[in-house]
Amino acid sequence: SFELTQPLSVSVALGQTAKITCGRDNIADENVHWYLRKPGQAPVLVIYRDILRPSGIPERVSGSKSRNTATLTISRAQAGDEGDYYCQVWDTTTAVFGGGTKLTVL
Amino acid sequence: EVHLLESGGDLVQPGGSLRLSCAASGFTFSSYAMSWVRQTPGKALEWVSGISGAGDKTDYADSVKGRFTISRDNSKSTLFLQMNSLRADDTAIYYCAKVEDIEIFPAVCLDYWGQGTLVTVSS
Repeated sequence: SFELTQPLSVSVALGQTAKITCGRDNIADENVHWYLRKPGQAPVLVIYRDILRPSGIPERVSGSKSRNTATLTISRAQAGDEGDYYCQVWDTTTAVFGGGTKLTVL
Repeated sequence: EVHLLESGGDLVQPGGSLRLSCAASGFTFSSYAMSWVRQTPGKALEWVSGISGAGDKTDYADSVKGRFTISRDNSKSTLFLQMNSLRADDTAIYYCAKVEDIEIFPAVCLDYWGQGTLVTVSS
C-alpha cells in the first residue's frame, strides 16, 4: 500500500495559526480525514471528507487540499489544541494513516 | 451519545491468543460498519481490520491477515477481535472505531473511537 507523509512535529505560538500537512501523490483524488489523539484519550475526528467539521469542532479548525497535499489549519491556536494529529484515507477497504504530527502550542 | 468500551487487553506470551471485545451503545449497532485500529509504542496509528454492519464483509491489514479474525454480535452490540499467533510487534493499544456508514468505502470516516485496551506481547 502507499504512505501518507506528515511532519513529525509542528510548533505554534499561542493565538497564531498552525498548519499540518499530509502528502501523497494525487491526494486531491482522495477523501481525507483528520483525527486528534491526546494522551490517555480516545482519538477524535476533527475534519472529514477534506473540509467538513463534525459537530463540536470549532470553526477555527479547517481542512484544505491541493494536488498532492492535504492541510489541516488551526487558527488562533490554544493550549487545548495540543496533541497528535493524523490524516487518513482509504486504499479500497483498507485504511491508511499518516505517521502523525505532534502539535505543540508555545 | 455514542459510547465504545474495549476490553480484553492483557499481557500474553509470543504465540499466544487473546480476544478483544468492544461494547457499543448510543446508536443502532447493526447499521454501521466497525473497525479495529491500533496505536503502536512509537505512537503511529495502524488500521487492523474492518467489518460491515451486517458482518458479511471483512478486511484485514496484511500484517494480521491469517492470524486475526474480526466478528460482531449485532444482538449484543458487541465487536470482537480474535488474535492468534501473537508476536511482539502486535504490542499496541487497540481501539475500536465506528464507521460512519454500514459499509466501508473510500469516502467514509471513523467518527467515534473508544478509549482503547492495551495488548502486550512479551515473554
